[in-house]
Amino acid sequence: QQPVQSPQAVILREGEDAVINCSSSKALYSVHWYRQKHGEAPVFLMILLKGGEQKGHEKISASFNEKKQQSSLYLTASQLSYSGTYFCGTEDDQAGTALIFGKGTTLSVSS
Amino acid sequence: EAQVTQNPRYLITVTGKKLTVTCSQNMNHEYMSWYRQDPGLGLRQIYYSMNVEVTDKGDVPEGYKVSRKEKRNFPLILESPSPNQTSLYFCASSQATGGGGGANVLTFGAGSRLTVL
Repeated sequence: QQPVQSPQAVILREGEDAVINCSSSKALYSVHWYRQKHGEAPVFLMILLKGGEQKGHEKISASFNEKKQQSSLYLTASQLSYSGTYFCGTEDDQAGTALIFGKGTTLSVSS
Repeated sequence: EAQVTQNPRYLITVTGKKLTVTCSQNMNHEYMSWYRQDPGLGLRQIYYSMNVEVTDKGDVPEGYKVSRKEKRNFPLILESPSPNQTSLYFCASSQATGGGGGANVLTFGAGSRLTVL
């Protein structure tokens, strides 16, 4: 089942912060975050694993609440290069399952 | 260079004319997957493969076929394309999936934009 992302779109000025949320109705093993710039392929940003292990990207961090089956992506001091569509992908709490993506959150950063 | 290669990148075809979109990866990845991307709907999974000769349906498999005869290749076949299959298609691969920690990070191909008239 597709995870739900919110908000659908965010408009920021350079230097402002943003939070993108991702929630699932299923118990999760991991949450992935990808960014897609216009006309390009999605690119991996970060993965959060059940149990707390986290891999990150500079100036972008994330949290994973296993009990609530939710993850949040934090973008601080946004830059023009942060613009794009952010997707969360969730993996169920079973080995060998597929990665399912949300509908995406479009982030627009202006100067 | 580690990459996922899709071909063709752009294709305009007509209803009913069979077509194949090829996908090849050079990273010896076990897991491969096809997604379609439509405005407002995100990335929806069509089919995926855990390894050679192992394929499974994703969320939107109707009208598509796949095969995984070799580890590196995972072609997407549209036997009789229809206009509702007009979309942007992405192939992706990862080392493994499920319990692998960072091993299941996806590498995407550049995408194939398909138009069915």
